[in-house]
Amino acid sequence: QQQVKQSPQSLIVQKGGISIINCAYENTAFDYFPWYQQFPGKGPALLIAIRPDVSEKKEGRFTISFNKSAKQFSLHIMDSQPGDSATYFCAASKGSNTGKLIFGQGTTLQVKP
Amino acid sequence: DTAVSQTPKYLVTQMGNDKSIKCEQNLGHDTMYWYKQDSKKFLKIMFSYNNKELIINETVPNRFSPKSPDKAHLNLHINSLELGDSAVYFCASSQEGGQGRTGELFFGEGSRLTVL
Repeated sequence: QQQVKQSPQSLIVQKGGISIINCAYENTAFDYFPWYQQFPGKGPALLIAIRPDVSEKKEGRFTISFNKSAKQFSLHIMDSQPGDSATYFCAASKGSNTGKLIFGQGTTLQVKP
Repeated sequence: DTAVSQTPKYLVTQMGNDKSIKCEQNLGHDTMYWYKQDSKKFLKIMFSYNNKELIINETVPNRFSPKSPDKAHLNLHINSLELGDSAVYFCASSQEGGQGRTGELFFGEGSRLTVL
């Protein structure tokens, strides 16, 4: 049972374009929604996170949009750069145990120069 | 200074062998985890320890036994290795119970296990 579904599986964007990755979740008890970025040979690293009391959070070029009624959230990368090429994972957790993450399947992003 | 370090980075072994992966964090966090990333890059939690106490044990075969000698270390021992155990194993740590970035998971660089 996949509790967090992520799409697309892969994405190719031109430099300067907008990258959009979508996630949907099933468990309404989830209350913490982070996005992690993983480069080849490295561990995932937290990029940005949101809680369901807000509909949007922005940090630099990265924005999370959150739709509680639809049980969906998405990552927007503005002005995408070749250095953003990586695998992106959405995730969800509930309660105070924010480290017990249920991850999406991952999206491999390639930003072409 | 590496925040979460794992050893070894690569491990190649035969089916049926026993192997261990070690993890240390110098962030002063109280909670440590083992995550498994399969060949399709899917990440799944295996175990979590809080102050040396096991708090999460997902449906992992009992051939996998974590051990936390202190809150800065979490080791993973795997008995009777099987082909399906081939994966990248990530150690992570966090300081639980916070809002925003507190509770952020800090991952090590992973230990790639190949079972032949």
